[in-house]
Order: sequence, then C-alpha cells, then structure tokens
Amino acid sequence: GESVGLHLPTLSVQEGDNSIINCAYSNSASDYFIWYKQESGKGPQFIIDIRSNMDKRQGQRVTVLLNKTVKHLSLQIAATQPGDSAVYFCAENSRSGGGADGLTFGKGTHLIIQP
Amino acid sequence: GAGVSQSPRYKVAKRGQDVALRCDPISGHVSLFWYQQALGQGPEFLTYFQNEAQLDKSGLPSDRFFAERPEGSVSTLKIQRTQQEDSAVYLCASSSPLGPQHFGDGTRLSIL
Repeated sequence: GESVGLHLPTLSVQEGDNSIINCAYSNSASDYFIWYKQESGKGPQFIIDIRSNMDKRQGQRVTVLLNKTVKHLSLQIAATQPGDSAVYFCAENSRSGGGADGLTFGKGTHLIIQP
Repeated sequence: GAGVSQSPRYKVAKRGQDVALRCDPISGHVSLFWYQQALGQGPEFLTYFQNEAQLDKSGLPSDRFFAERPEGSVSTLKIQRTQQEDSAVYLCASSSPLGPQHFGDGTRLSIL
C-alpha cells in the first residue's frame, strides 16, 4: 500500500557538520508533511512541518525541502550538536489540515553525532 | 499541563487480561489520536477523535481494541483479552485545528 519510507536507517555525522535526512513518499495525494525527533523512551517531538503548496520551510537550525515531482522530502540540520542524536521520522497525511487525519510514518533514521 | 500526558508509563499484564491506557491531551486541543509503535518501527495510526466523536477507527487491529473520549478531553484506550502481539508502546497525540500533532511519551505495554 501507500507508504512513507526513509532511504538510510543510520546516519553518522561529525559534531558541527550539517546533517541531511531523506524521506520518500509514494502517496500522490499527500499534502502535509512533518518531521519528528524521537529520543529513547520518549514520544516523537515535533520539529517542523510543510504543506504541499510550499517547497521549502526554515526553522531554527532546520530546513525542510519538499520535491513533489519526485515525491521526496528532506530535513537539513545545521551545525549538528550532541543533543541532535535521536531517531528522526518523516510522516504525512493527505488532508489539508495537519490535525484532521492520522499520520503515516516512515521507519525512521537514527542520527548519530560523533565528537 | 503543558504537554500531552499519558498514564501509566509502563504496564505489565498477563495474557488474557484487560488493560486501560489513559491520555490527557493539551488543554483546548479538539483532535486526539492514538498510535501503536512496535520496537524499531514508526508509530502506526489506530484511531482519531474530534472532540468526543470518534471519526476514524480504521487502524484498530481488532475488536479487542476500544477507545473512548466521552467528554471531549481525556481519552482511554482499552484492550480486552490481551495477547502477546499487543506488546508495544501506545502513543497519544493531540492537535489544534490545522496544527501539528504533539505526542505524549507513551505507555509501554508488555504482555507476558
């Protein structure tokens, strides 16, 4: 069925470098996308979201890029810090409102920050 | 409170027992969601409430799973006659209209 998936299960980067986490989705009707960070023993923590009428959105140290042509989403984290170590999930739904429907999650990418 | 609160944080039950998991959403959030997260996987949608109305329960894996939100605030997920495959983390999320879903830290359920 339709799904959201991630290209790499583990990503290791040096502290201070930029990280890029990628995500592919297959549902053409998806119009809302969201990134979460999940630390061990905790629930997913909202990072940033983007709607399909945009192709880029920036937050504090994070940027999300959306390429609807190839159904690809990426999360860029600038100047990674040890506290960025976690599993990152992309998720989507196909209604115009972020709270109007259940999210479909990918499997996650484990980001490891090396000193 | 400031965030979504779930209780208990950990629950151990014997196979065949019934369990009830509680979720206190962020105050004022009309939408409430339940998800199931298996070890090493992303959360999977179970059910969705808008106020007290359960608008989508398509993700509930069997009729042993039941959720309610009688007053449009606190929600309870009940699992009857638990089985080992029910072992997972159960996450609750809430949101305001058009806002992102905010998650609690979940209940880790272990069925022996």
